[in-house]
Amino acid sequence: DAGITQSPRHKVTETGTPVTLRCHQTENHRYMYWYRQDPGHGLRLIHYSYGVKDTDKGEVSDGYSVSRSKTEDFLLTLESATSSQTSVYFCAISEGQRGNQPQHFGDGTRLSIL
Amino acid sequence: GENVEQHPSTLSVQEGDSAVIKCTYSDSASNYFPWYKQELGKRPQLIIDIRSNVGEKKDQRIAVTLNKTAKHFSLHITETQPEDSAVYFCAASKAGNQFYFGTGTSLTVIP
Repeated sequence: DAGITQSPRHKVTETGTPVTLRCHQTENHRYMYWYRQDPGHGLRLIHYSYGVKDTDKGEVSDGYSVSRSKTEDFLLTLESATSSQTSVYFCAISEGQRGNQPQHFGDGTRLSIL
Repeated sequence: GENVEQHPSTLSVQEGDSAVIKCTYSDSASNYFPWYKQELGKRPQLIIDIRSNVGEKKDQRIAVTLNKTAKHFSLHITETQPEDSAVYFCAASKAGNQFYFGTGTSLTVIP
């Protein structure tokens, strides 16, 4: 399995609180991604990173921000969590050019916002 | 952007039978098509992928076919086993762009 660790694995929090999810990789891959997975929607890209301090938006980026200060760490932040952000969040990494190389996923974070 | 449609959403087969899952895509420039298997509560795992310069790829009991003209690709699983039960996702992408995923097919293999 690809060396990807997501933390926490489960979190329950209240509406309006800030939440940060962490993705850590040991593969030294350039590309890192955050997805959310919801029933009926498959996997949808939130944000991605193509290097330290280099990030860009995906198709469902509203309400989320990211940071990448080190190659191995990619953080996803919900500044003020809402119930619509209850989901399972997956981090993924890929080695080569975005869109042209397979992505490998972490174990996911199940986030519940009450 | 790209639109990937996946059918069927659920599929039940008898053990030993074949299963076929189909995906269509809208962007003719898409050229990389991976398939992922996700068991309940687990991560999606890459099981096979195909690039647009080939029409078919096999790996033991699984195969993927690609029809660029019709813009569709399919996953074929032969001699299905109970451990093949999972949700399968297709995706389409092109260099420099993001992956677009289908909505998944829940496969149940009945012993």
